[in-house]
Amino acid sequence: QKEVEQDPGPLSVPEGAIVSLNCTYSNSAFQYFMWYRQYSRKGPELLMYTYSSGNKEDGRFTAQVDKSSKYISLFIRDSQPSDSATYLCAMTSPYTGANSKLTFGKGITLSVRP
Amino acid sequence: NAGVTQTPKFQVLKTGQSMTLQCAQDMNHNSMYWYRQDPGMGLRLIYYSASEGTTDKGEVPNGYNVSRLNKREFSLRLESAAPSQTSVYFCASRGDRGWIYNSPLHFGNGTRLTVT
Repeated sequence: QKEVEQDPGPLSVPEGAIVSLNCTYSNSAFQYFMWYRQYSRKGPELLMYTYSSGNKEDGRFTAQVDKSSKYISLFIRDSQPSDSATYLCAMTSPYTGANSKLTFGKGITLSVRP
Repeated sequence: NAGVTQTPKFQVLKTGQSMTLQCAQDMNHNSMYWYRQDPGMGLRLIYYSASEGTTDKGEVPNGYNVSRLNKREFSLRLESAAPSQTSVYFCASRGDRGWIYNSPLHFGNGTRLTVT
């Protein structure tokens, strides 16, 4: 079993829809969770991070973590065509410095139709 | 503000050829990373460098070598390219302030490599 599993997609939704993107993980040492967004032909960029169970909001985006179930989600409200991108979950255990390494999910490609 | 610059953007190699992928960052970051991204496999770490003069293997180092030339530059070399190394290669850097989760990786825009 891979350490991080992410729904493969792709996902296509109409503009204005609520989008739910999900990842599960198996490594209990993972304590910090991130979502990266990657536009076509570009490198990933950090969208949100969280390190506690519960919800974290940033504008139209909400990151949710359930450590007991080893499950994380990213919700996008009022989705826009500009949200069309690949979304990658990433996670790490609590070590400092450059030896901290991220484990990424495979990514899911989202398309928001006008 | 260039950030992380990768060259070349595209490359086609024949099996057995060698090449070096170049990466430079202008953010004065200590840590630099090389990833490959394949459909259905996600991002996988090849090598990383915690500081100038140090390098360490990641998840998939076989077939690759790296050089941390100075603080700005981190190159990835394929000595004898194989079709299995067809991929998109990303270089990334990060500062060392804070935890990795809130001191984000800054990625370049990738090198698209095809080995025939």
